[in-house]
Amino acid sequence: DVKVTQSSRYLVKRTGEKVFLECVQDMDHENMFWYRQDPGLGLRLIYFSYDVKMKEKGDIPEGYSVSREKKERFSLILESASTNQTSMYLCASSLGLAEVDTQYFGPGTRLTVL
Amino acid sequence: AQTVTQSQPEMSVQEAETVTLSCTYDTSESNYYLFWYKQPPSRQMILVIRQEAYKQQNATENRFSVNFQKAAKSFSLKISDSQLGDTAMYFCAFMSRSYSGGGADGLTFGKGTHLIIQP
Repeated sequence: DVKVTQSSRYLVKRTGEKVFLECVQDMDHENMFWYRQDPGLGLRLIYFSYDVKMKEKGDIPEGYSVSREKKERFSLILESASTNQTSMYLCASSLGLAEVDTQYFGPGTRLTVL
Repeated sequence: AQTVTQSQPEMSVQEAETVTLSCTYDTSESNYYLFWYKQPPSRQMILVIRQEAYKQQNATENRFSVNFQKAAKSFSLKISDSQLGDTAMYFCAFMSRSYSGGGADGLTFGKGTHLIIQP
């Protein structure tokens, strides 16, 4: 089974702090994704990566950056956290082949910015 | 840009009943995937079923099946013999096969349907 893990289930930070959310997958997947989930809005794509050191903006990249130095690890960075970034953050990965490109999700990190 | 609409914010049915969750989407593309994901109260998102747009046959996975109407841009999920463990948020999602940038694309999600199975 594919396993996607996220470094924290719950995180509390203060406004202005730099925040790192880590995601690791163990199935040699090419693609990795970061989403945020808010009640009544569903999930929205922040950034994704299709290869080491490669990244693409999603629908809501403002206020975020990402890093992928190793294939198995994809980090989401909040350079200066703000209260409107309080949310559930979900990481996902996919194999990268067109015919079987299902995304597998991690358990999520609930971030609260005070 | 694609949009996915789930018009039922919440549904409640009795155990063992059949329930259908609706999903419509809007796209100008001809090649794409559609998915239903389930998110139980523990929050781990799980794939329920997927459908390739070029396949006319509706996908089925045990008690879960879809009614895919490409012309109508409709992708409903039917759960037969519903069980208490089916209680969850259900998300419909769209992914283009016309990849942007190197061979990947993110999912576009609907806002979800909260399904409650009553004992």
